[in-house]
Amino acid sequence: GDSVTQMEGPVTLSEEAFLTINCTYTATGYPSLFWYVQYPGEGLQLLLKATKADDKGSNKGFEATYRKETTSFHLEKGSVQVSDSAVYFCALSDLVTEGGKLIFGQGTELSVKP
Amino acid sequence: NAGVTQTPKFQVLKTGQSMTLQCAQDMNHNSMYWYRQDPGMGLRLIYYSASEGTTDKGEVPNGYNVSRLNKREFSLRLESAAPSQTSVYFCASSELGGTYYNEQFFGPGTRLTVL
Repeated sequence: GDSVTQMEGPVTLSEEAFLTINCTYTATGYPSLFWYVQYPGEGLQLLLKATKADDKGSNKGFEATYRKETTSFHLEKGSVQVSDSAVYFCALSDLVTEGGKLIFGQGTELSVKP
Repeated sequence: NAGVTQTPKFQVLKTGQSMTLQCAQDMNHNSMYWYRQDPGMGLRLIYYSASEGTTDKGEVPNGYNVSRLNKREFSLRLESAAPSQTSVYFCASSELGGTYYNEQFFGPGTRLTVL
């Protein structure tokens, strides 16, 4: 079945540092890709999405590009803030093979220090 | 709009006790989901309901039952709780029908401890 693999955390950065969280996927169909964010004590919120190859999703300074050739959807931010401290989940949705269910990676915890 | 609401927020059970987790959404979504979140495991799908009147097993359904009461409400029942069911439970909903991707909206979660 389809799967998502994320880089392991925790990731600790200083404020204003550059962030990359790696995400790769395996899928037999043509999935849509998502990044969700979970702040402490809260549920997951959609951060950004991309629905086809070469699409770039962006929100709140975060970006990710859907790379079909490398089956990747890496999350980047040029300058992180303390308020970005959270757990980030990469996910895919494949209507053809998974009936649209979301398949999640294991999550990457980000801690940003002042 | 409240979005997706879950009750209770916290619960402690003894092994063998039963309980029902409640979930409701006010976005008129067709599909609803129950996940559990365990450290290092991401979110794993327990059961889902693609539309009112239907339910299907997800990745980890053993020990759980669900009821899609109506379009708004989707409950998760633990008939005989076990320590392995200690977890954080999330409900989600989405407008799956008619869209080619599945953006899900999540509730705040229920933290369950089974002693």
